[in-house]
Amino acid sequence: DVKVTQSSRYLVKRTGEKVFLECVQDMDHENMFWYRQDPGLGLRLIYFSYDVKMKEKGDIPEGYSVSREKKERFSLILESASTNQTSMYLCASSLGDGYTFGSGTRLTVV
Amino acid sequence: GESVGLHLPTLSVQEGDNSIINCAYSNSASDYFIWYKQESGKGPQFIIDIRSNMDKRQGQRVTVLLNKTVKHLSLQIAATQPGDSAVYFCAEMQGYSTLTFGKGTMLLVSP
Repeated sequence: DVKVTQSSRYLVKRTGEKVFLECVQDMDHENMFWYRQDPGLGLRLIYFSYDVKMKEKGDIPEGYSVSREKKERFSLILESASTNQTSMYLCASSLGDGYTFGSGTRLTVV
Repeated sequence: GESVGLHLPTLSVQEGDNSIINCAYSNSASDYFIWYKQESGKGPQFIIDIRSNMDKRQGQRVTVLLNKTVKHLSLQIAATQPGDSAVYFCAEMQGYSTLTFGKGTMLLVSP
């Protein structure tokens, strides 16, 4: 089975900090995605990548950036964390259709 | 528990009942659809998918129905069990675009 691993389950960061969320998949998938999940809003796409060093903006990229230096790793970066970025962050990977998700990182910005 | 379930429509059923979870999708050009299950504290997990050239697909205890005329997708769970309690999301995709997710429905199964 494909495994998507997010490095942290829970994170607490201060406003203004630079935050890195890491995601690694072990099945050589080309496509990787970052979503955030908020009550009442569902899953919203932040950024995605179809290949190494490639990135595309999703629906809500503001305040975020990403890095894909290796095929298996896709990092989400909050350049200067703000309280409205408190959320559950979900990473996913795919070859084409169905996505496989990690367990999520619950980030709290205080 | 996780806050993902707040503000969601909720379906409450008794153990052993059949459950039907509905989803209205937005893009008439979508050609691929997935149902995901998300348990508390976990990421979404693939349940079943269907392409637009089909109107029904069955899995183990689950059936997905697609009505393209009214842009409606449903997930039927037979003999619902307490372990089926979770939030269920539908998702749609057009061609090689990204998946767009619905808001989700919480299923609560009472023993």
